[in-house]
Amino acid sequence: DQQVKQNSPSLSVQEGRISILNCDYTNSMFDYFLWYKKYPAEGPTFLISISSIKDKNEDGRFTVFLNKSAKHLSLHIVPSQPGDSAVYFCAASLGGSNYKLTFGKGTLLTVNP
Amino acid sequence: NAGVTQTPKFRVLKTGQSMTLLCAQDMNHEYMYWYRQDPGMGLRLIHYSVGEGTTAKGEVPDGYNVSRLKKQNFLLGLESAAPSQTSVYFCASSYRGGATEAFFGQGTRLTVV
Repeated sequence: DQQVKQNSPSLSVQEGRISILNCDYTNSMFDYFLWYKKYPAEGPTFLISISSIKDKNEDGRFTVFLNKSAKHLSLHIVPSQPGDSAVYFCAASLGGSNYKLTFGKGTLLTVNP
Repeated sequence: NAGVTQTPKFRVLKTGQSMTLLCAQDMNHEYMYWYRQDPGMGLRLIHYSVGEGTTAKGEVPDGYNVSRLKKQNFLLGLESAAPSQTSVYFCASSYRGGATEAFFGQGTRLTVV
C-alpha cells in the first residue's frame, strides 16, 4: 500500500521553463510534507517543506503547493536550470516528533540546455 | 562540519557473510535512521533510533540489526547476507522526528553475490 505516490518516473524540460513535479498521498493524517533532491552517488538533500496548515511555501526558485482536499502537492521550479537535473523525492510525515518519513518512488528531472 | 558520514562507501559480500555499516553524525541529533533504496523504489526505512541506547523497527527490518551505543553513532548489521539485501543504504539524522529536515549520508552501495 503506497501512501505517497509520484506517478511520473521522469520529466524533461527546457532550461528557463517551469518544472512541475507532482505527488499524491492517501493518508489524510499526514501533517508535514518535504521534498528532497538527490544527485547520483550522493545522499538526498532537503529542498523545501510545507506544513498542512499552509497551502504554499516559497524559497527562491522553488515553490511547493499543497491541496489537502485533493491530497496532492506539487513542486514548481522556475526557472529551471541544468543543475536542477536530479531525482526528486516527495516525503510525508505525521508531524511532531513522529519518527517516520514516508517517501515516494521519486521523479527524475532532466533540464536540457 | 562533516554532517553524516557512512563507512564503507562500497562493499561486496558473499551470501552468508556478515558485516557492519557505520554511521556517524556530528550535529548532536537525537534521531537517526537507516534506509535502503532499490531501483524503482523510494527510500524504505529499515530501523531507527530516537536517542542513545534506543532502537526500533521500521518498514523492512528483517535480516538487519542495529545498535546505538553512542549518540553520534548508529550501526547497521547484516548477520547473514542474502542477495535480496543488495541495495544502496543511506543513514540519516534529524534533530527531532519526521517534521524536521533529515540530513543524509552519501550512501553505501552493497552487493551480495
